[in-house]
Amino acid sequence: ETGVTQSPTHLIKTRGQQVTLRCSSQSGHNTVSWYQQALGQGPQFIFQYYREEENGRGNFPPRFSGLQFPNYSSELNVNALELDDSALYLCASSQDRGGYGYTFGSGTRLTVV
Amino acid sequence: LAKTTQPISMDSYEGQEVNITCSHNNIATNDYITWYQQFPSQGPRFIIQGYKTKVTNEVASLFIPADRKSSTLSLPRVSLSDTAVYYCLVGDNLDSNYQLIWGAGTKLIIKP
Repeated sequence: ETGVTQSPTHLIKTRGQQVTLRCSSQSGHNTVSWYQQALGQGPQFIFQYYREEENGRGNFPPRFSGLQFPNYSSELNVNALELDDSALYLCASSQDRGGYGYTFGSGTRLTVV
Repeated sequence: LAKTTQPISMDSYEGQEVNITCSHNNIATNDYITWYQQFPSQGPRFIIQGYKTKVTNEVASLFIPADRKSSTLSLPRVSLSDTAVYYCLVGDNLDSNYQLIWGAGTKLIIKP
């Protein structure tokens, strides 16, 4: 079975721009969640999608938005990028909600300059 | 809103047993406790999950007391490759906005 793959692996954007990060879930997984991880910090929950619907959201502004597609792949979109958005963005998939055995991708390292 | 607390860092030596404790005072009735391991520049990797009492797999054991307000990850006979950050994860339902709360992580350093 394939794991979770994220693209791109690294990205540099300018403040004010928009970015789209992509995630392919592990086969058979219907839940995907996104996290922001600043250097030296733990992952911060952004939101979770279960069967194409958002079913949980962390304390992130509306300029962080997402989609989950029928094949359960997912996108994270961030508008009006700020310098503080520089972080590792992690995608994780699972067969169920609730942090039960999520499989993580290796992340996308976003740098905003 | 559930909150988890872990030691910031721990040191140990190869061959020793390491125990890392996480506090989660407001865990919800139906929530499980999950532990992950993370190496630098990689995504977290699932280690073990439990609801109560004791769970054991090929890499670790998880001890959860009856009140479920804490949990202890036990790593038997650690090696240098166990040097990593370990996270305790507890699901939290808050007005049907399902939010996944991570601890700050415990940086475990294994010495020769």
